[in-house]
Amino acid sequence: EVQLVQSGAEVKKPGESLRISCKGSGYSFTSYWISWVRQMPGKGLEWMGRIDPSDSYTNYSPSFQGHVTISADKSISTAYLQWSSLKASDTAMYYCARTMVRGVNSDYWGQGTLVTVSS
Amino acid sequence: QSALTQPASVSGSPGQSITISCTGTSSDVGGYNYVSWYQQHPGKAPKLMIYDVSNRPSGVSNRFSGSKSGNTASLTISGLQAEDEADYYCSSYTSSSTLEVFGGGTKLTVL
Repeated sequence: EVQLVQSGAEVKKPGESLRISCKGSGYSFTSYWISWVRQMPGKGLEWMGRIDPSDSYTNYSPSFQGHVTISADKSISTAYLQWSSLKASDTAMYYCARTMVRGVNSDYWGQGTLVTVSS
Repeated sequence: QSALTQPASVSGSPGQSITISCTGTSSDVGGYNYVSWYQQHPGKAPKLMIYDVSNRPSGVSNRFSGSKSGNTASLTISGLQAEDEADYYCSSYTSSSTLEVFGGGTKLTVL
């Protein structure tokens, strides 16, 4: 069974750093991209970027480039999304998803990680 | 402002059919057959319902269908059921540096 299991909810202060994770199982982790999607409270889905776990090649949305870093460790089938300095506006639910190499089909999604940034 | 335009809300009665539109440009929806549709119930992760414009993943009801004409893609749900009440998002590949863009989402209400 294909599964993406994300790390638990986080509460952080502005300026703090954070790394959340997404562990894949039940499939060949290096055969699909992992995408990250943000959903701010009461808002829609926003594509942040994606990574090819086989070689860690990444693409970022210009809206998120420079503010987050996407990485992966294929030895443990885990992708990461990290911030070096959080802002209150980073408060959101973050989803990882398994994405086909061709196109934009994300067929399996993690359960989401809620990140709350508040002083 | 989202790159793809969807109606904020649509509604229909059980048994009826509804269509949700997703309008982009020739750089995204109109230029590639890479449009996906996702269903999201409150507090849940999105679920892939349609990919590559009109293909259904295994396990998705054949009441869901997708199509595209020019720069506008559409999701049609026939034989509406109460469980279809959810938010629906379209997504498209784009030739811009973004690579993928979502629509703003459409709230479907089953009356």
